[in-house]
Amino acid sequence: GAVVSQHPSWVICKSGTSVKIECRSLDFQATTMFWYRQFPKQSLMLMATSNEGSKATYEQGVEKDKFLINHASLTLSTLTVTSAHPEDSSFYICSARDPGQDSKEQYFGPGTRLTVT
Amino acid sequence: GQNIDQPTEMTATEGAIVQINCTYQTSGFNGLFWYQQHAGEAPTFLSYNVLDGLEEKGRFSSFLSRSKGYSYLLLKELQMKDSASYLCAARDSNYQLIWGAGTKLIIKP
Repeated sequence: GAVVSQHPSWVICKSGTSVKIECRSLDFQATTMFWYRQFPKQSLMLMATSNEGSKATYEQGVEKDKFLINHASLTLSTLTVTSAHPEDSSFYICSARDPGQDSKEQYFGPGTRLTVT
Repeated sequence: GQNIDQPTEMTATEGAIVQINCTYQTSGFNGLFWYQQHAGEAPTFLSYNVLDGLEEKGRFSSFLSRSKGYSYLLLKELQMKDSASYLCAARDSNYQLIWGAGTKLIIKP
């Protein structure tokens, strides 16, 4: 199956700093990628849909100026958490669909665990 | 509104069979997914149903009834490694996945 990578796998940062998370589709081109956040013992919460070459579509309640998404190429989307606060500590997961396959599934990256101190 | 319901937690015995139910209400419907998620890891795809009926894949099977808005995931010959959370997700008319909160499955020896 298709492979999606994320970097870094974990990061610790100080409150007020910014953190960038990368999501790459390794063996396919993804015109659409999705960013999720998951708090402990809770389900996935879709934050935004990232479209290559255009602005991301944010879900209700997600601050687009705080969570900056850039999808500059068909294989890379980035999520930048700006001015991070402890409440932003979470597991961030990206996923992508492979438009070249008649596949219905989303392929998930391994996730990035963010801890803001 | 859109909603996915599944049990919070289930316990089963190694070697046994367990069925995890999921009911959904979505604006339109374009398929029902089951994902497995081990603690601290990203979800991995298990199954996809878009037509009524049972889809079998090894020890795992998934069933869908569109008229009832109902699906289940059946796990046979349970192994300790099957201890995980199982996420049900329905895709709506906009092809957006609506996720359930997940069912934590605990396997006991």
